Amino acid sequence: DGGITQSPKYLFRKEGQNVTLSCEQNLNHDAMYWYRQDPGQGLRLIYYSQIVNDFQKGDIAEGYSVSREKKESFPLTVTSAQKNPTAFYLCASSETQGMNTEAFFGQGTRLTVV
Amino acid sequence: KQEVTQIPAALSVPEGENLVLNCSFTDSAIYNLQWFRQDPGKGLTSLLLIQSSQREQTSGRLNASLDKSSGRSTLYIAASQPGDSATYLCAVRYNFNKFYFGSGTKLNVKP
Repeated sequence: DGGITQSPKYLFRKEGQNVTLSCEQNLNHDAMYWYRQDPGQGLRLIYYSQIVNDFQKGDIAEGYSVSREKKESFPLTVTSAQKNPTAFYLCASSETQGMNTEAFFGQGTRLTVV
Repeated sequence: KQEVTQIPAALSVPEGENLVLNCSFTDSAIYNLQWFRQDPGKGLTSLLLIQSSQREQTSGRLNASLDKSSGRSTLYIAASQPGDSATYLCAVRYNFNKFYFGSGTKLNVKP
């Protein structure tokens, strides 16, 4: 069953901790993305990767880090430098070739600072 | 900077009504536009993808149109049902790298 799997569904972070959100896809897509969603706002791009071992900052990359060591995996680390990390995090993937490049999303991880 | 705007932010209609959701974008040089549905606390489900060369796409009771020259797309939902209640988001793709999202329209279909 093809798709994108995000884990965990809920995550709690103490002040000063780093936490890592998992994103795995079996769609054989080259591109993967991380978005942040806050109540009443649209999705904002954190990082994206077009190919293994390469990634670029999005619009709100400060306080976050990523890696892309395998095509199917794109984990996001929320570091202690991120001052307001409580949000809903969404991972997506898509093809990079051609015009018909539909994006697919995971079910999200809700991160709460306690 | 590319901006995507969705109007209205919220919409409440009685069951059975036909409705239109709007999406506008500032830069008309798009690659494609995608409409999504999001249920509370869930991820995004793709509804329709319109390529830049297309004028519309249809899936069941949904029809999405695209007018690049005016920077607009509409999502038409026919014969709305309570199960259609959700937030609808449009996303514009300008290159192979990034999608730009609107803030969404929260739809409530009353029984």
